Amino acid sequence: DTGVSQDPRHKITKRGQNVTFRCDPISEHNRLYWYRQTLGQGPEFLTYFQNEAQLEKSRLLSDRFSAERPKGSFSTLEIQRTEQGDSAMYLCASSLGPLSNEQFFGPGTRLTVL
Amino acid sequence: AQSVSQHNHHVILSEAASLELGCNYSYGGTVNLFWYVQYPGQHLQLLLKYFSGDPLVKGIKGFEAEFIKSKFSFNLRKPSVQWSDTAEYFCAVNAGHSGYALNFGKGTSLLVTP
Repeated sequence: DTGVSQDPRHKITKRGQNVTFRCDPISEHNRLYWYRQTLGQGPEFLTYFQNEAQLEKSRLLSDRFSAERPKGSFSTLEIQRTEQGDSAMYLCASSLGPLSNEQFFGPGTRLTVL
Repeated sequence: AQSVSQHNHHVILSEAASLELGCNYSYGGTVNLFWYVQYPGQHLQLLLKYFSGDPLVKGIKGFEAEFIKSKFSFNLRKPSVQWSDTAEYFCAVNAGHSGYALNFGKGTSLLVTP
């Protein structure tokens, strides 16, 4: 499968713990996006990378959230001191070239904070 | 505030019925418009997109959408739905000045009954 992959697919953690998610984009895609989706809502944009540079960050991305994309390949999203409100599906997408090109989404990581 | 509105949250249709899902946005200026679909157990995938040109765009699986600038709308249509069209449908907007982020509506859950 050469699509976008995310790991883990499910994560259950206790409030206050740190969690890290990984996203592997489609090979050679230079743009990588993180979105968050809660029940009954559409995906909400969190942040976006072009190669290794983080170019956009949503106001939703509080100080407890940090994302990296070293070497412009895979990306990680870390949430520190998790809160119950962080429970959501975290989606990663990648694309190549201009905005008109499709963003390909991964299966997501479902986070449950107890 | 800038937003994307999908009017119908749940739609139930019989096979062969016609479908129209509403999408309105509140962004001014240049917009790029998308419809994404999520079939049960699958990733989000692009149905169709509008960037410029003919406001009537055709997508995969017989879907089409019409951009009406004066109404700030981008409604999705299909003349005759099939059971396999059961899915969640999301309208998304990129405001030209906001980089590459997609802003999604809350989605419409479509159930097609045999």
